[in-house]
This record gives sequence, C-alpha cells and structure tokens, in this order.
Amino acid sequence: AQKVTQAQTEISVVEKEDVTLDCVYETRDTTYYLFWYKQPPSGELVFLIRRNSFDEQNEISGRYSWNFQKSTSSFNFTITASQVVDSAVYFCALSESITGNQFYFGTGTSLTVIP
Amino acid sequence: GAGVSQTPSNKVTEKGKYVELRCDPISGHTALYWYRQSLGQGPEFLIYFQGTGAADDSGLPNDRFFAVRPEGSVSTLKIQRTERGDSAVYLCASSLFPSYNEQFFGPGTRLTVL
Repeated sequence: AQKVTQAQTEISVVEKEDVTLDCVYETRDTTYYLFWYKQPPSGELVFLIRRNSFDEQNEISGRYSWNFQKSTSSFNFTITASQVVDSAVYFCALSESITGNQFYFGTGTSLTVIP
Repeated sequence: GAGVSQTPSNKVTEKGKYVELRCDPISGHTALYWYRQSLGQGPEFLIYFQGTGAADDSGLPNDRFFAVRPEGSVSTLKIQRTERGDSAVYLCASSLFPSYNEQFFGPGTRLTVL
C-alpha cells in the first residue's frame, strides 16, 4: 500500500490564483515526520518544510502555508497568489521512526502556473 | 557552501555493462542516501549510510546493485549487468544527522540503458 498519496497528478492555475496541493499519508507509527519538496524543471529537489507528528500547528512562510491534520492523515500545502516561478512538481514525503531514515515519497503533483 | 554533487550528470550505457555513479555529500553530513526516480514517480529509497556503514540497504532491488562509502564522505553506487529497467534518475541526498532531519538532494544522474 502506498504510504503517501498525492491524488492530484497535474494542476494548472492562472497566475495570482491560490492553489492547494493535497497529501494523505498512512502510518501506524506514533512518531513520524512529514515533508514537502519542490522539484523545478532543473530537476533538483528543494526542501520546503518538515513537521513532526506531535506538532499540528499550521505554518505559514510567505506565500506558502501548510495544514497538518492528524484526524484525516493529511498534510496539505497551499500557495497563495501563485507565480510562474511556482511551476514545478511538488512531493510530499513521510519518515517513520519504525522504518528509520528512509523517506517515502508520493508520486508528486505537477503544478503549472499560467501567466 | 557547496551542495550535494553527483557525477556524471548523464550516463548512457549498453545492456549488460557495469556502471558507477558518484555522490559527494555536503561537508560534515554524516548521513547519505541513494534514491531512484523513474519518470512520473517520486524518489524511491535504495540505501542509507551512517558514516561508512550501510545502515539500511532494504531498498536495493537485487544483488546487481551495490553501494560503498569507504571514508564516510563520497559514496559510489555500482550497478552490474545493467538492464533496460535500470534506466532512471539516481538521486543522492545527505543530512547533518539521521533520524528525520531534512535531506538535501543532489541534481541526480540520469542513467539510460540501451
């Protein structure tokens, strides 16, 4: 079974629109970490955020915000006032204490921001 | 400071050949990871090193794949008797400490097996 599900394969929005990328995870562990990475066309994965399972506070960083809800096993990512430079593939990932240090990545959501 | 570097950036080889892919992690990072990313997929874990030893190699698909990190810094992923199905981007990542710290990724090596 897939540990991280990103149901949205591709999303297109017009510049300045808000967009939310969904991430649903599955784990039996009580201690785990969730991550978001951005993969621009250049290919290099860029770290965006890490959250641990004990901290459900939402986080905002500039135009980016993250909504972590343990009740629904979701860790969604919202970009406000999208820009063309936000066009990339975004990956959600899970790291569990049981399995140690490997990351389980979702299949990614390809975001295209149209000028 | 310098990020994670990987060489070569592209490698084209013929089926049955042997290849080596190199990763140079961020200086001082003790943990090093190899992932494989196929087209349209997320990275898939292969192996994790803590220092010189492979702490978790559960993701290696078969015994044709092997990785080393002899001095606890640079790592080499070795693939014997390559198959067309091995074609993918091989990503290396490092982190300051293991255990849930963010991993910093290199640009990857695109391997094509003809």
